[in-house]
Amino acid sequence: SQTIHQWPATLVQPVGSPLSLECTVEGTSNPNLYWYRQAAGRGLQLLFYSVGIGQISSEVPQNLSASRPQDRQFILSSKKLLLSDSGFYLCAWAHPSGQQETQYFGPGTRLLVL
Amino acid sequence: AQSVTQLDSQVPVFEEAPVELRCNYSSSVSVYLFWYVQYPNQGLQLLLKYLSGSTLVKGINGFEAEFNKSQTSFHLRKPSVHISDTAEYFCAVSDLTGGFKTIFGAGTRLFVKA
Repeated sequence: SQTIHQWPATLVQPVGSPLSLECTVEGTSNPNLYWYRQAAGRGLQLLFYSVGIGQISSEVPQNLSASRPQDRQFILSSKKLLLSDSGFYLCAWAHPSGQQETQYFGPGTRLLVL
Repeated sequence: AQSVTQLDSQVPVFEEAPVELRCNYSSSVSVYLFWYVQYPNQGLQLLLKYLSGSTLVKGINGFEAEFNKSQTSFHLRKPSVHISDTAEYFCAVSDLTGGFKTIFGAGTRLFVKA
């Protein structure tokens, strides 16, 4: 069966510090991968998605970046965090069927920027 | 472009009462429709989905939803809610054109009172 992991679970960082959040998927090959942000009281905002190693599509221009160094690894990064980067970050994967179906979400990382 | 509107940001309801969470979508092409549930401090999990066929879809935990193409709606219902149904519910849509993105609504917080 497939599983998805995210770490860390929670993170408190000062403004201007770097960020690295990691997401890994087990039990499937060549998944589509996604990063979402959920701000307090708001819905899900798609940040990045990837259909293969090294292939990243950005949905929202901001100070975040994503990388996919391995097939089942997806990393969200920032060089300098802003207060507005606080939120709940969710990674998700989907089967690479070419037609979007169910997304499977990780447990999330809660980021607080002070 | 697709969009999803969840008409209620919060729905308070008493235990054992029926509930309906409303969702409307817009798309110029045929779509897949989903409802996801998010319990506090967790990722999202799939509740049910409509891909094709019968317009009445049954999901986990006694929930069901009906796809209405003419009204572009996909409302979620449960005849009798439990305290444990307290969570945030997200309606989502993805199209059939081979894209890799799912658009989520802003979410509806269901609060079940004793």
